[in-house]
Amino acid sequence: DAGVIQSPRHEVTEMGQEVTLRCKPISGHNSLFWYRQTMMRGLELLIYFNNNVPIDDSGMPEDRFSAKMPNASFSTLKIQPSEPRDSAVYFCASTLAGEETQYFGPGTRLLVL
Amino acid sequence: AQSVTQPDIHITVSEGASLELRCNYSYGATPYLFWYVQSPGQGLQLLLKYFSGDTLVQGIKGFEAEFKRSQSSFNLRKPSVHWSDAAEYFCAVGNYGGSQGNLIFGKGTKLSVKP
Repeated sequence: DAGVIQSPRHEVTEMGQEVTLRCKPISGHNSLFWYRQTMMRGLELLIYFNNNVPIDDSGMPEDRFSAKMPNASFSTLKIQPSEPRDSAVYFCASTLAGEETQYFGPGTRLLVL
Repeated sequence: AQSVTQPDIHITVSEGASLELRCNYSYGATPYLFWYVQSPGQGLQLLLKYFSGDTLVQGIKGFEAEFKRSQSSFNLRKPSVHWSDAAEYFCAVGNYGGSQGNLIFGKGTKLSVKP
């Protein structure tokens, strides 16, 4: 079975540009999570969805960040405009409600110059 | 507030030696506890988890962890470390029920293995 798929794996962009990160959860999973990992702050939950509905977005840093889940098999995390401090690895994870174990994608390494 | 503490940022052990990685949590109810491993440039892989029952849980790659409620700990152990175990290890706590599903992660412990 395919795991969680994230694209792109690496992204280098300039400050002020829009960045869109993509995630395809494991088929059948109905919860999806976006995390950010930095050396300073470790792994932080940004937002999570249940059945395509955002449940908790309190971790989203500011209005420049937005996330959508238009259907059960796709989610995006958008940063507009991007800033150098957004440089991090962004992970997507999915789970089946009731199973409790989150399965992580390989991450997108973002560098904002 | 819920929190997870991994006191050791970096540990170095010799190949073949035993390993114990510490994890302490703060949580108001019975926690769900996890250990994940992250190899360089990779995502997180679940090693093991504790929900209830036997407090000693076995995971993949020869790892085990013991839940000690009295100490609010969930330490990860392996009797004999292999060079391929070099990675970063994350402890996490979660509460589940209904629509909740977020995990709180510790800052991680980086494991280096000497030949």
